[in-house]
Amino acid sequence: GENVEQHPSTLSVQEGDSAVIKCTYSDSASNYFPWYKQELGKRPQLIIDIRSNVGEKKDQRIAVTLNKTAKHFSLHITETQPEDSAVYFCESYQDSSYKLIFGSGTRLLVRP
Amino acid sequence: DAGVIQSPRHEVTEMGQEVTLRCKPISGHNSLFWYRQTMMRGLELLIYFNNNVPIDDSGMPEDRFSAKMPNASFSTLKIQPSEPRDSAVYFCASSLPLTGIEGNEQFFGPGTRLTVL
Repeated sequence: GENVEQHPSTLSVQEGDSAVIKCTYSDSASNYFPWYKQELGKRPQLIIDIRSNVGEKKDQRIAVTLNKTAKHFSLHITETQPEDSAVYFCESYQDSSYKLIFGSGTRLLVRP
Repeated sequence: DAGVIQSPRHEVTEMGQEVTLRCKPISGHNSLFWYRQTMMRGLELLIYFNNNVPIDDSGMPEDRFSAKMPNASFSTLKIQPSEPRDSAVYFCASSLPLTGIEGNEQFFGPGTRLTVL
């Protein structure tokens, strides 16, 4: 069936370094790819999203890239800060079945 | 707008009891989602509604779980009978209508932490 694989499951970086999280999806009909950030004890919140007609989108230190041929999309965080520490979830919206699927999450730890 | 409202915020019950979780979506949002989150299984989509109609309930774990959306401003998730393995945080989220072309941002409620003893 349809699925979204997210890697890595945990990521530890030094403050100031970059962090990259990657998701691979299976349904080529997927056309909306949001990323959510969930801080400890809080609700998930959208941080950036990308649609299938765009290859890259940036918002300050955060960027998302999409490779439709390879069916993967990635979250890039530059100049990481301790407040970036959280769990990040990717999501794929599958147009053919109206199906929303979350990745399994990446726990990011930014060491001061 | 106050955002997505969920009640109760915490629920502790005994195995076998009925549990009802409630959600009020953001006004104007026609899509509503119920999620379950545990350490072991992560964030799971249970069911979602579009214009009060269930679109995808394939994530509902078993017949003990049921969800309703009687109108655009209210939804319930019911577990009967509850079991200890149902212990989790249950999130409700809402968004603008999902179309065949584009998705939209989901706004999550604060969640209901359910503990079944």
